[in-house]
Amino acid sequence: AQSVSQHNHHVILSEAASLELGCNYSYGGTVNLFWYVQYPGQHLQLLLKYFSGDPLVKGIKGFEAEFIKSKFSFNLRKPSVQWSDTAEYFCAVTASTSGTYKYIFGTGTRLKVLA
Amino acid sequence: DADVTQTPRNRITKTGKRIMLECSQTKGHDRMYWYRQDPGLGLRLIYYSFDVKDINKGEISDGYSVSRQAQAKFSLSLESAIPNQTALYFCATSDFSGITDTQYFGPGTRLTVL
Repeated sequence: AQSVSQHNHHVILSEAASLELGCNYSYGGTVNLFWYVQYPGQHLQLLLKYFSGDPLVKGIKGFEAEFIKSKFSFNLRKPSVQWSDTAEYFCAVTASTSGTYKYIFGTGTRLKVLA
Repeated sequence: DADVTQTPRNRITKTGKRIMLECSQTKGHDRMYWYRQDPGLGLRLIYYSFDVKDINKGEISDGYSVSRQAQAKFSLSLESAIPNQTALYFCATSDFSGITDTQYFGPGTRLTVL
């Protein structure tokens, strides 16, 4: 079955530290990949997405993600985090198989940035 | 983002009660979704609808039903609420372009079943 794994459930960083959140998916076909962010008390919003072309995708607020097809990974990165990046981050995959559509979210990574 | 609204925002109810959560959107999207969010489990898809006449079960549809009254409205019902349905419920729409499918979420409904 298709799945999305986020291995880091909780991450604590100091401001200016570099961030990398892991995301691995299990699906052998064509996928679209997304990172969503949920700030405290708010709803999810799109951070960035990949569907084709350059595997290095740049999103809002200085975030980027790299699609590595051979590793089934789509890790999220930011060179220098800020206190305002404290949020929960969700990786998601869409895939179609045998006419069935799936939009699968990972379990989320809760990031806390210390001022 | 007021383009996707949910009512109510908070609801406390008792076991066995029927509950309806409503979702409206002004984005003009055909696709709508209902998810529940539980700590440590992320978002799980309950039902989704690709247009008014198309309703599909998601990963965890048992105990839930939906109604797509119009392109802009998608309601989720709990026919007989139970405590393990206590969760944060999100409605979403998406603008599937034939290539990619970005979701736009509502503010969520926090449901507590006692």
